[in-house]
Amino acid sequence: SQQGEEDPQALSIQEGENATMNCSYKTSINNLQWYRQNSGRGLVHLILIRSNEREKHSGRLRVTLDTSKKSSSLLITASRAADTASYFCALGSSNTGKLIFGQGTTLQVKP
Amino acid sequence: DVKVTQSSRYLVKRTGEKVFLECVQDMDHENMFWYRQDPGLGLRLIYFSYDVKMKEKGDIPEGYSVSREKKERFSLILESASTNQTSMYLCATQSGGREQYFGPGTRLTVT
Repeated sequence: SQQGEEDPQALSIQEGENATMNCSYKTSINNLQWYRQNSGRGLVHLILIRSNEREKHSGRLRVTLDTSKKSSSLLITASRAADTASYFCALGSSNTGKLIFGQGTTLQVKP
Repeated sequence: DVKVTQSSRYLVKRTGEKVFLECVQDMDHENMFWYRQDPGLGLRLIYFSYDVKMKEKGDIPEGYSVSREKKERFSLILESASTNQTSMYLCATQSGGREQYFGPGTRLTVT
C-alpha cells in the first residue's frame, strides 16, 4: 500500500499526559503533513514537514521525520480534553499537491 | 483565512438519483480535490482539478464525474447513486503544493 500506516489506531490518555502517534510509509516523499479531524467534521492542517527537515514545532505539537526509516511521529504535549480527535498523516510525493492519507489515529483525552 | 464551503452537511438520496455535491472556495486556489471517507479506509481521492476545466482521476473515480467551470467551484456528480456510495464526502483546496484546506464535509446516505 502507498498510504501511510499509522500506529496506534486508537489511544486513550489522561489530560496532561503526552500523546505520540506514528506514521510509517513506503514511497519517497516530498513532504509529510499531519491533520486533525473532530468527529463528523472536515480535516484541519496541523504541520507540514519537508523531506529535508528532521523536526518541526508548533505550539504543543512536535513532528519528527526520519526519511531513512520512512517514518514520522506527532507528539502532543500536555494534552487537553479538547485534543480529542482523529489525527491523520498525509504523504505529499509530487508537485501536483496530491496527498495520500493514512487511516488515522483516534485520540481520546480524558479530563 | 481560507473558507471552503460545501453545499450540504447531510443529504439523503434514493438509488438511481443524480446527485450534485458542490464545493466553493474563496481563496483563489488552483487545486481542488474530492475525497470520500469511510470507516477503516481513511480518505480516498476521487477526482482532483488543478485548473478550470481540468480534471484528473484519483484512486476511485468509478461512478463519479466532476465539473470545474469556474476557479472557485468544484462539483462532484454521482450520475446514478448507489447504496455503496453512502459515505462522507470531503472537498479540499490547495495552492502551491502546500497544505490542503478542507470543507466541513457532506454526509450522503443513499437508500
